[in-house]
Order: sequence, then C-alpha cells, then structure tokens
Amino acid sequence: KNQVEQSPQSLIILEGKNCTLQCNYTVSPFSNLRWYKQDTGRGPVSLTIMTFSENTKSNRRYTATLDADTKQSSLHITASQLSDSASYICVVSSSGGSYIPTFGRGTSLIVHP
Amino acid sequence: DSGVTQTPKHLITATGQRVTLRCSPRSGDLSVYWYQQSLDQGLQFLIQYYNGEERAKGNILERFSAQQFPDLHSELNLSSLELGDSALYFCASSVDSNYGYTFGSGTRLTVV
Repeated sequence: KNQVEQSPQSLIILEGKNCTLQCNYTVSPFSNLRWYKQDTGRGPVSLTIMTFSENTKSNRRYTATLDADTKQSSLHITASQLSDSASYICVVSSSGGSYIPTFGRGTSLIVHP
Repeated sequence: DSGVTQTPKHLITATGQRVTLRCSPRSGDLSVYWYQQSLDQGLQFLIQYYNGEERAKGNILERFSAQQFPDLHSELNLSSLELGDSALYFCASSVDSNYGYTFGSGTRLTVV
C-alpha cells in the first residue's frame, strides 16, 4: 500500500531559526515528489517538485532533498519568517497504474516572533 | 490568483440537502481533481477527470458525484448531506498527472 509519512506532526520555532521537515514514503514505482505549503483555510501552493534523478532543489529559502534509495525527502527552511507558519504537505506520485497521488498528513509549522 | 477558480467560496446548508460546487481549471489544464479536507485532517482525494472523462476515483462517497464539461470546467455534486460532510473542498488542475497541481482557494461547506 502506498503511504507517505511526515514528521514531526507539528513544530514551533522562533523567527529567524532554521528547521527541517521529513517525509518518508513507500510509493512504488516512484514518479515524483512535491512539497506544498498550505496556509490555514487556503489551497496548497507548490514549493518544489522532484523527480527520481534530482537530489536537491531550492526555491528561495526552501531547500528540498530527495534520497530515492531510502525513500526519504526533507524540506529545509532557512531563516524562518512569521509568514512561514503553515502546513507543509509532502505528495508522492507513482509512475505505474494508479494516477492517484499519495498525500502526507502534513507538518504544522508555527513561527513565533 | 492561482488560475483555478472555485465557486462558491462559502456554502451553508442543512442536512439532507444537495449542493453543487464548481471549478474552472487553469487555462490549458486538462485534468481536474477534487479533494476533501475535514477539520485538522489531510487532503483526501475524491476523483479525477481528464478531458471530460473520469480517470481515477478515490474515497468518494456514493452520495457524491462529479463531472467535467466540454469547456473543461467541473462540478462536484454532494447530495443527502450529513453533518460530517462539512469540510473544505478543493479543486486542482494540471496538464497531466505527472506535473504539479495548481489548487484553487477552496469551497468551505458547512452542513447544519
């Protein structure tokens, strides 16, 4: 069964600090992995999309890594800002059979001043 | 503005009623996906349409149905509504399943 597990479930950090969110998946065969940011009550917004051959991808202060061998991904946020407070969702798609992507439950990040 | 338009933004209705949620995908996107997000829950995939045809079905109740029209907009019909159907309903669109999805801002449904 395809699964995506995210940790931690929630995280509180001080403004200006860095943090790393984790995503482990069992989706196979792997097609791509995406990180989304979802503000409360809003639709998710794509941060990065990574394919099998990509190890690292950056988008401003967000850096995503992918280890396809261990089936792990991380999202590193540098110099956090209050506006980073949101839910971060890891989504993994398979290249075979089902077109349905598998969503993680998300990590809720709160940045305090 | 993501380019994906959902209407209405808010909807309050009584149990047992039927509602229709509408989604206009981003220009050029052929796939439309519907998701349900209950309070403090993750996104649950409901159904996908590609160029007018149903492509994949997730955890969609029999009381729910959807369709995609020739102009590619989609409607999600929810009938015999129950209190537990209260949630945010998101629509997303993409060129195809291997590309990133663009989400709309959602419809917040409250069943009272």
